[in-house]
Amino acid sequence: GENVEQHPSTLSVQEGDSAVIKCTYSDSASNYFPWYKQELGKGPQLIIDIRSNVGEKKDQRIAVTLNKTAKHFSLHITETQPEDSAVYFCAASIGTGTASKLTFGTGTRLQVTL
Amino acid sequence: DADVTQTPRNRITKTGKRIMLECSQTKGHDRMYWYRQDPGLGLRLIYYSFDVKDINKGEISDGYSVSRQAQAKFSLSLESAIPNQTALYFCATANPGQGANEQFFGPGTRLTVL
Repeated sequence: GENVEQHPSTLSVQEGDSAVIKCTYSDSASNYFPWYKQELGKGPQLIIDIRSNVGEKKDQRIAVTLNKTAKHFSLHITETQPEDSAVYFCAASIGTGTASKLTFGTGTRLQVTL
Repeated sequence: DADVTQTPRNRITKTGKRIMLECSQTKGHDRMYWYRQDPGLGLRLIYYSFDVKDINKGEISDGYSVSRQAQAKFSLSLESAIPNQTALYFCATANPGQGANEQFFGPGTRLTVL
């Protein structure tokens, strides 16, 4: 089955700096890659996603890049703010590009310090 | 997401007890999922259901069972709880038929097995 590795496990940045979280996947058939944000005491929530026919996608301060050849994808957060502090999960979906069955990474705890 | 509710939110039980965690959704989604979250391990899929008559095992189904009582309800049971089932459990829903791929998560149930 699919295996998704995520790094780093913890990340501390100063407010206003950029944060980058990286994931690799094992199954070349995966073609849908979402990122979820989990705030304290809540369930994960989708923040951005990308399909394998796209190399980069941006939504305001967050962006995701995908390198199919290397089988890795990254989340970029610019101009970080305290409310960006949370746990972030990457995921990959095998097959048809739907969220039928997601394999998640192990999570990155991001702390944005003042 | 308030559209996906889980009960109870917290539960402490003893080894050997039978436990049921319940999930209800008002989104009208066909697909429902149960995950467990452990520190350093991310989210792992226990069971999933694509409609009322469909039940599928995830990567860590041993020791668990599920029941899809209706489109809106998906319950997870631990027939004889053991301490290594102590974890945070999440229910999620999805409806790829709408062209979207997002999974919507409930607020989670924190289960402690003594």
